[in-house]
Amino acid sequence: DPKIIQKPKYLVAVTGSEKILICEQYLGHNAMYWYRQSAKKPLEFMFSYSYQKLMDNQTASSRFQPQSSKKNHLDLQITALKPDDSATYFCASSPPTGEQNTLYFGAGTRLSVL
Amino acid sequence: GDSVTQTEGLVTLTEGLPVMLNCTYQTIYSNPFLFWYVQHLNESPRLLLKSFTDNKRTEHQGFHATLHKSSSSFHLQKSSAQLSDSALYYCALGGYKVVFGSGTRLLVSP
Repeated sequence: DPKIIQKPKYLVAVTGSEKILICEQYLGHNAMYWYRQSAKKPLEFMFSYSYQKLMDNQTASSRFQPQSSKKNHLDLQITALKPDDSATYFCASSPPTGEQNTLYFGAGTRLSVL
Repeated sequence: GDSVTQTEGLVTLTEGLPVMLNCTYQTIYSNPFLFWYVQHLNESPRLLLKSFTDNKRTEHQGFHATLHKSSSSFHLQKSSAQLSDSALYYCALGGYKVVFGSGTRLLVSP
């Protein structure tokens, strides 16, 4: 059974619309992340959260907003979508101690913006 | 800031030949964590191996790497490539956040 669930697996959106990417992890981790992968940038760090608090934000655009309603949830809201936002978005988590920085990835959400 | 360099974007090999994928890093931390992640087609990245001990070889699934702090390197090696090794390989540096290299695509042909 997948321990990090991302929904939906595929998403098609029109330019200018808004979408929410869902991520839930059942590994008991306190740190969660979002990464983006496209043909132009192989694996790009976006956000990190620890205990539901934003730790690092490497996304220049405010159109990308992470949302953490529960400790094991980290959703990603994207507004005013652009074709350049087309990518696979990976959610990841890591253990708090002992294996710091070892990332466990979800299956990803493949977003296509038309 | 921290950075990881993977010089080869694509490595093509014939099955049975040795594999070596290069990785060098830059960081101010004296005890960095280094990782190799592998991503097969249409899958997500998964951890292949990791190390934070200087000059100690770490192995997993036939692959091995040794962290050399003196040269800031963590090259990935395998003695004999298999068709199933074809994938995208990322070297990564752990610290405040994990920084990934640009990735090396390995294609193994019969």
